[in-house]
Amino acid sequence: GESVGLHLPTLSVQEGDNSIINCAYSNSASDYFIWYKQESGKGPQFIIDIRSNMDKRQGQRVTVLLNKTVKHLSLQIAATQPGDSAVYFCAEDRSYGGSQGNLIFGKGTKLSVKP
Amino acid sequence: KAGVTQTPRYLIKTRGQQVTLSCSPISGHRSVSWYQQTPGQGLQFLFEYFSETQRNKGNFPGRFSGRQFSNSRSEMNVSTLELGDSALYLCASSLAQLGGSGNTIYFGEGSWLTVV
Repeated sequence: GESVGLHLPTLSVQEGDNSIINCAYSNSASDYFIWYKQESGKGPQFIIDIRSNMDKRQGQRVTVLLNKTVKHLSLQIAATQPGDSAVYFCAEDRSYGGSQGNLIFGKGTKLSVKP
Repeated sequence: KAGVTQTPRYLIKTRGQQVTLSCSPISGHRSVSWYQQTPGQGLQFLFEYFSETQRNKGNFPGRFSGRQFSNSRSEMNVSTLELGDSALYLCASSLAQLGGSGNTIYFGEGSWLTVV
């Protein structure tokens, strides 16, 4: 079936290094993707989004890349800090017609930042 | 501006009981959706409401229901609780009135339900 999946369940990086979290999707018709950060005991926090008519979008210390040819997106975090330690989810918006909010989430990647 | 607010944050229920969870969306947001998060299944879409109408529903049994009030606040109810219903229930809201993808969706902190 169609799904959004993550390549790696855990990622450990040194403080100050760059982090790259990957995500694959299978629905070629998907046109909107979101990255969320979830800290322990909290709800998912919006980080950055990208639409299918773009292949790159930058935010503060974060960049999302979208490769529609291979149905892959990635989240890059520059100069990773201890506060970036969390689980990161990619989500594919499957909303259609008159509805909203139907996100299909990947299983998440746990990012650990070593001081 | 306050974020999405969910109550209660933690609760424990017994098998067979029912539970009602409450959500207040971000001011001005009229679309409210609900998700269940478990270690085994991850984050799964339950349903979405707009203007007091359910517009979309995920693949959950009829024991899971919801409603939305005229002020956009929403509640979800789970009847005849099972052990497997233990989860973090998340509410999310978005601003745009039109349907379809591309509307930024913001989550609350969730309600932790434990069924014993």
